[in-house]
Amino acid sequence: EAGVTQSPTHLIKTRGQQVTLRCSPISGHTSVYWYQQALGLGLQFLLWYDEGEERNRGNFPPRFSGRQFPNYSSELNVNALELEDSALYLCASSLWVGATGELFFGEGSRLTVL
Amino acid sequence: DAKTTQPNSMESNEEEPVHLPCNHSTISGTDYIHWYRQLPSQGPEYVIHGLTSNVNNRMASLAIAEDRKSSTLILHRATLRDAAVYYCILRDVSNFGNEKLTFGTGTRLTIIP
Repeated sequence: EAGVTQSPTHLIKTRGQQVTLRCSPISGHTSVYWYQQALGLGLQFLLWYDEGEERNRGNFPPRFSGRQFPNYSSELNVNALELEDSALYLCASSLWVGATGELFFGEGSRLTVL
Repeated sequence: DAKTTQPNSMESNEEEPVHLPCNHSTISGTDYIHWYRQLPSQGPEYVIHGLTSNVNNRMASLAIAEDRKSSTLILHRATLRDAAVYYCILRDVSNFGNEKLTFGTGTRLTIIP
């Protein structure tokens, strides 16, 4: 069974540009979570989608946005890139929503902003 | 949201047991304790979770204090492949729809050959 897949794995952008990151959850999983992990820091919660709707978002500016498609795959968009957006962006999927649902993570997309 | 506190780093010898502590003094009755680990250059992976009773699975054991204000992840026989950052997090079963599941900086476990 395929795990959570993310693309691209690495990318380099310059300040002010826009980027789109993609995530395909495990088949059958309806929840998708996005996280930012800056170098040496923990995982910061960005967004949570379930059944196509945004359920919650972390403390990030509006230039961070996303969506979930009918097939439950998801995109994370970041506009007007800033240097501090350089980070590993992780996507996770879950079958059950709630406190006992195990999150399955992809290997991430590493974004470098120059 | 209830917070957790973990040591920044720990070391252990290979093939010896490892006890990774986590403090969560403000835990509520509906918080589940979850552990994840992140191997180098990978996304985190689930290890174990529990509510009140101690839990065992093929990867590890979770010992939960009677007052639930602390817990310990136990790796019974550490191998070099267990070198990772270990995250202890709380998930509130009553907080459906409001959850902002955030991982802290965790404990970086180094295994000494």
